[in-house]
Amino acid sequence: DAKTTQPTSMDCAEGRAANLPCNHSTISGNEYVYWYRQIHSQGPQYIIHGLKNNETNEMASLIITEDRKSSTLILPHATLRDTAVYYCIEQHQGGKLIFGQGTELSVKP
Amino acid sequence: DAGVTQSPTHLIKTRGQQVTLRCSPKSGHDTVSWYQQALGQGPQFIFQYYEEEERQRGNFPDRFSGHQFPNYSSELNVNALLLGDSALYLCASSLRVGAGNTIYFGEGSWLTVV
Repeated sequence: DAKTTQPTSMDCAEGRAANLPCNHSTISGNEYVYWYRQIHSQGPQYIIHGLKNNETNEMASLIITEDRKSSTLILPHATLRDTAVYYCIEQHQGGKLIFGQGTELSVKP
Repeated sequence: DAGVTQSPTHLIKTRGQQVTLRCSPKSGHDTVSWYQQALGQGPQFIFQYYEEEERQRGNFPDRFSGHQFPNYSSELNVNALLLGDSALYLCASSLRVGAGNTIYFGEGSWLTVV
């Protein structure tokens, strides 16, 4: 199963926007991109998902390139509580999620 | 509105024993999936249940089996436990099988095999 590619780690200053990139160059036309985060090995927390259009909710924005080969998750005003591992995930046919290693985001004061 | 609930939260088993983990999906959801997360790794898909049938299965041996009940709750059973089965087991639920549904995870069951 193909997996997404994310940077291993990133830092962000508190109050600034956190922009987390993801490559999914082998994604198929009907496969969605999902973002989750996980704190201290608690259960993954749903953030947002999309197919081809940009999406926004109360937590974040998801920007998907026109060719759908990459996307960016934007946390508009990062706080210390946003420190977590962020997973960019392809949802394969039938609904299963294929997790990669994720990006460890550290928000610093 | 309760989210996805799992039990037990922690348990310790001996190599060779059998374990059963339980999951209640989020209210209104009818599809349950199970994932295994080893320390330091991302979750790995085990299998998915919908309408009381296994619909998809990941690359896990037959020692891993499951069940879904008419009320949509689910169990994960692991037989002949190995030390390598020590992991966080996560249950996820959604409304209907297929793409594009919002999927919610429970807090998981920590299994330690000694």
